[in-house]
Amino acid sequence: DTAVSQTPKYLVTQMGNDKSIKCEQNLGHDTMYWYKQDSKKFLKIMFSYNNKELIINETVPNRFSPKSPDKAHLNLHINSLELGDSAVYFCASSQGTGLPSYEQYFGPGTRLTVT
Amino acid sequence: SQQGEEDPQALSIQEGENATMNCSYKTSINNLQWYRQNSGRGLVHLILIRSNEREKHSGRLRVTLDTSKKSSSLLITASRAADTASYFCATDDSSASKIIFGSGTRLSIRP
Repeated sequence: DTAVSQTPKYLVTQMGNDKSIKCEQNLGHDTMYWYKQDSKKFLKIMFSYNNKELIINETVPNRFSPKSPDKAHLNLHINSLELGDSAVYFCASSQGTGLPSYEQYFGPGTRLTVT
Repeated sequence: SQQGEEDPQALSIQEGENATMNCSYKTSINNLQWYRQNSGRGLVHLILIRSNEREKHSGRLRVTLDTSKKSSSLLITASRAADTASYFCATDDSSASKIIFGSGTRLSIRP
C-alpha cells in the first residue's frame, strides 16, 4: 500500500542511452512532481503536473520529457543521457497546487548513474 | 535562487540531547514546511506552519516561525538514534506556485 512508488530504484546506464523512470501515487492527489537531488543533497524541482496538465517546467534540458497518462502516474523519459544527469530523482505528489503550498508526499527515489 | 537555507549544515549531538536547526528565507511566504530525509530514502513531511502562526508542536518536534526575521527553527527534543537524518525546510515561491527546498541540515545522533 505504498503511497508514492517509483521504478526502478537503481538505474545504471551508459552515456547516450535513453531511459525512463515511472511513478505512481495511490493517494488520489491531483498534483505530481519530479525533483532532482544532486550529490550535495540539494533538491530542485524539475516539473509539476496538475490533472495531467503541465504547470511547472523549470529550466531543464529538453532531453528530459515528462508524461502524465493520468493523474495517478507521472513518468520521466530522458534522452541521450549525460554524465551530469547522474543524481537521485524523486517523484512526489500533493493534494493541490498553487499557493498556499501543500505538503508533498515523496517516493523512495531513483538513483541514476550514468557511466 | 535558493529560498531557504538551513543552519548548521551538519550537527552531531548525544542521544537524549535536544537538536535545533534553523532556516532563513528571503521573500514573503504563505507556509513553511519541514521535511526529514533518512539516508537513501525519500523525504517525509514533518510539519507545516502558516505565516500567521508563531509556533507549532508535533510530538517531540517544535517549530517556530518569525516572519519579521524571515526565519524558522526546528527543535527536536530528547533525540533518539532514529532521528539521524537530513532535515530540510521548504518555503513557498509566490511567483511560481511551487515550494523551494533549502540545502538541509545533516543531523547525527551519537549513542
